[in-house]
Amino acid sequence: QSVLTQPPSASGTPGQRVTISCSGSNSNIGSNTFDWYQRLPGTAPKLLIFSNNQRPSGVPDRFSGSRSGASASLAISGLQSEDEADYYCAAWDDGLNGVVFGGGTKLTVL
Amino acid sequence: QVTLRESGPALVKPTQTLTLTCTFSGFSLSTSAMCVNWIRQPPGKALEWLARIDWDDDEYYNTSLKTRLTISKDTSKNQVVLTMTNMDPVDTATYYCTRCGHNSYFDYWGQGALVTVSS
Repeated sequence: QSVLTQPPSASGTPGQRVTISCSGSNSNIGSNTFDWYQRLPGTAPKLLIFSNNQRPSGVPDRFSGSRSGASASLAISGLQSEDEADYYCAAWDDGLNGVVFGGGTKLTVL
Repeated sequence: QVTLRESGPALVKPTQTLTLTCTFSGFSLSTSAMCVNWIRQPPGKALEWLARIDWDDDEYYNTSLKTRLTISKDTSKNQVVLTMTNMDPVDTATYYCTRCGHNSYFDYWGQGALVTVSS
């Protein structure tokens, strides 16, 4: 069981806006920055969002991150078929003194 | 250009010790604030952070696996080594090494190495 809680699945149609949640606690998301990682089928995970809401070079601005208390969210607007992937949140946990991940959310583009 | 590549056995027997090597280029682990992590993903399951070693030799471990893990570095060879003792079939996973980003936890990832634990 993962320290950070994500819904196992999400879906949307092309062009739609989808949001994926990541629930943590005061020892992780509530007090440290979080990242989002995208894992496309058959590939290694890739950094998608860092420091809560920053995009690495090359990541479209359709992807955005936000925090509310000890929960994080990833929003994908203008959904595209190539966004079909697994998405993971991650944050440092002060109690565990290490990085913790969410269980991952499989995004399906219908 | 930053690259990382994992190497090691594809198959290990239960109770054996796994040794994985991460060979990287494009950065130096002797540079202040640099660090390298190991992460794994069992088939069909979530990512799990295992360990991290910093430029100044600080080490961090997943608390639930701490007694089985050792991470070390050879700065001259641009390598980080992870050993995991007493391997079990539940340790079957793809093992990744990653670089710590300046403001992210993992900015570059290796391609991953699948390790199967079976007799």
